[in-house]
Amino acid sequence: QSVLTQPPSASGTPGQRVTISCSGSSSNIGSNTVNWYQQLPGTAPKLLIYNNNQRPSGVPDRFSGSKSGTSASLAISGLQSEDEADYYCAAWDDSLNGPVFGGGTKLTV
Amino acid sequence: QLQLQESGPGLVKPSETLSLTCSVSGGSISSSNYYWGWIRQPPGKGLEWIGSVHYSGSTHYNPSLKSRVTISVDTSKNRFSLKLNSVTAADTAVYYCARHSSLRYCSGGSCPRQDYFDYWGQGTLVTVSS
Repeated sequence: QSVLTQPPSASGTPGQRVTISCSGSSSNIGSNTVNWYQQLPGTAPKLLIYNNNQRPSGVPDRFSGSKSGTSASLAISGLQSEDEADYYCAAWDDSLNGPVFGGGTKLTV
Repeated sequence: QLQLQESGPGLVKPSETLSLTCSVSGGSISSSNYYWGWIRQPPGKGLEWIGSVHYSGSTHYNPSLKSRVTISVDTSKNRFSLKLNSVTAADTAVYYCARHSSLRYCSGGSCPRQDYFDYWGQGTLVTVSS
């Protein structure tokens, strides 16, 4: 059972906007910044969003992140077929003294 | 462009020690700003942080694995290593190495930790089986 809670699946059609939620607690999301990783089938995870809402170089602005209290969200606008992947949220946990991940959300386009 | 590459046996017997190495190219492992971490992913499951090491040798481990894990760094060869002992079938997973940025940034009365893995290796599958 993961420390951060994500819905196991999400879906959308091309061009739509979808959001994926991530719920935590005061010791992780409530106190620290949130990151999102995209894992395409058969590949390593890739950093998609860091520090709640920052995009690494090369990540399209269709991807955005937000945080409120002990929850965070990843939004993907203008959905494309190549966005079909697993998405993981993560944050530092002050109680565990290390990073924790959500269980992942499989996005189907 | 920073690149990380895992190497090591793909098959380990139960009760033995899993040993992997991550070779870093395109940058120095001796950067004071970063740790270097190991993350694993059992088949069909999610990600689990194992632990991280700083070039100085400072380490921090996942409490659930701490008793079995050792992560070390070799700055002369620009690489770091993972040892996980007393393995069982539950340790079967794809093991990733990654650069680990972890800084506590204070602003406006709060000090959130900004923690993320920004460069990843391709991963290596380790199966525990006799």
